[in-house]
Amino acid sequence: AQTVTQSQPEMSVQEAETVTLSCTYDTSESDYYLFWYKQPPSRQMILVIRQEAYKQQNATENRFSVNFQKAAKSFSLKISDSQLGDAAMYFCAYRRTNTGNQFYFGTGTSLTVIP
Amino acid sequence: EAGVAQSPRYKIIEKRQSVAFWCNPISGHATLYWYQQILGQGPKLLIQFQNNGVVDDSQLPKDRFSAERLKGVDSTLKIQPAKLEDSAVYLCASSSLAGPANKNYGYTFGSGTRLTVV
Repeated sequence: AQTVTQSQPEMSVQEAETVTLSCTYDTSESDYYLFWYKQPPSRQMILVIRQEAYKQQNATENRFSVNFQKAAKSFSLKISDSQLGDAAMYFCAYRRTNTGNQFYFGTGTSLTVIP
Repeated sequence: EAGVAQSPRYKIIEKRQSVAFWCNPISGHATLYWYQQILGQGPKLLIQFQNNGVVDDSQLPKDRFSAERLKGVDSTLKIQPAKLEDSAVYLCASSSLAGPANKNYGYTFGSGTRLTVV
């Protein structure tokens, strides 16, 4: 079974600074997708960024970027120029491509942004 | 487009009572998922529907949980009887396709129902 590990239960960052959230995963498959989701207190899961495993280039979305190391099975999220609105729970997630489309989520990292 | 609608938003019940949650997916989304998110954990899949058929219910505690998706649209998740450990957020999600062709489509999640069993 796929497992996703987030080893940082809590992180904090000063406003306008950069923070990196870590994620590792375990799989025997070669093609899959990785995601970072943001979950504010409203409980809505908001897609932050997505990475296809077959792509070598790291995904970027404005202030958010990933460092995808396929061999090491590592998928970290970098948030640049942190804003107060970035404060939330962040979940790393793995999704298969060939058997349904369920997500396997990590346990989450709670990000605090300090003004 | 409208999001995934869920109700109720909150529910408090006593153990051994029954409860039901409702989900209305995005129009045209064939695949619907129910996830359970226990406090301090990531969401875990309970059941997946493709139209009105079950694709995966391997992690659904079938002695107390049941789910249906009539006419391949709305879905209801029921717990009977509830236990203290069922306290969690129940998230519904939908996606437009299931399978490799869906790789460019993300899920859309609802805001969930927070269940407290006392």
